[in-house]
Amino acid sequence: NAGVTQTPKFQVLKTGQSMTLQCAQDMNHEYMSWYRQDPGMGLRLIHYSVGAGITDQGEVPNGYNVSRSTTEDFPLRLLSAAPSQTSVYFCASRHRGRVLSSPLHFGNGTRLTVT
Amino acid sequence: AQKVTQAQTEISVVEKEDVTLDCVYETRDTTYYLFWYKQPPSGELVFLIRRNSFDEQNEISGRYSWNFQKSTSSFNFTITASQVVDSAVYFCALSGDNYGQNFVFGPGTRLSVLP
Repeated sequence: NAGVTQTPKFQVLKTGQSMTLQCAQDMNHEYMSWYRQDPGMGLRLIHYSVGAGITDQGEVPNGYNVSRSTTEDFPLRLLSAAPSQTSVYFCASRHRGRVLSSPLHFGNGTRLTVT
Repeated sequence: AQKVTQAQTEISVVEKEDVTLDCVYETRDTTYYLFWYKQPPSGELVFLIRRNSFDEQNEISGRYSWNFQKSTSSFNFTITASQVVDSAVYFCALSGDNYGQNFVFGPGTRLSVLP
């Protein structure tokens, strides 16, 4: 099992450019989510999905889009990159069947810099 | 609303000292889970432990121990005889009924263990 796989590991964008961060998991987890990590602010939820075809907004959704066409994949799209989106992004998944008790499994992160 | 507070932003100790990381949470849920994650300098997020709201037994795993006190809404983490490899950022997180299936993370505590 590869677990949760994120690509790319590093990315530099110019203001206004768009890009997609990829996330795939092979654990058959129904629940997937995207977080951003900024110094002193912990992990903040951007978007999440409880199954294929279902997505919802988290705490900081502005400037990001997601879709969930398969159980395995949950890409995060930056529509028009801004310097405020410079951050480390983590994708995570968990079993939905054991909703509260199931831990989040994280990918290794994507470090994004917007200049 | 759900909230997790980790009041200690940074802690430095000398190797072999004991250190306790504090976590205080707020929730209106009667059923919830608390988690600790470790983020070493390499950046990945590693799940350490989970505790449910009905189980206030303390837990010990090697040099790690966790003290859950519902009366004070705290879930503190102690490392005994710290080692340099314990240097990391530690996150406390909450998963409860009224926030869907989402986690709420604290801001993290950066622990530096000096040789």
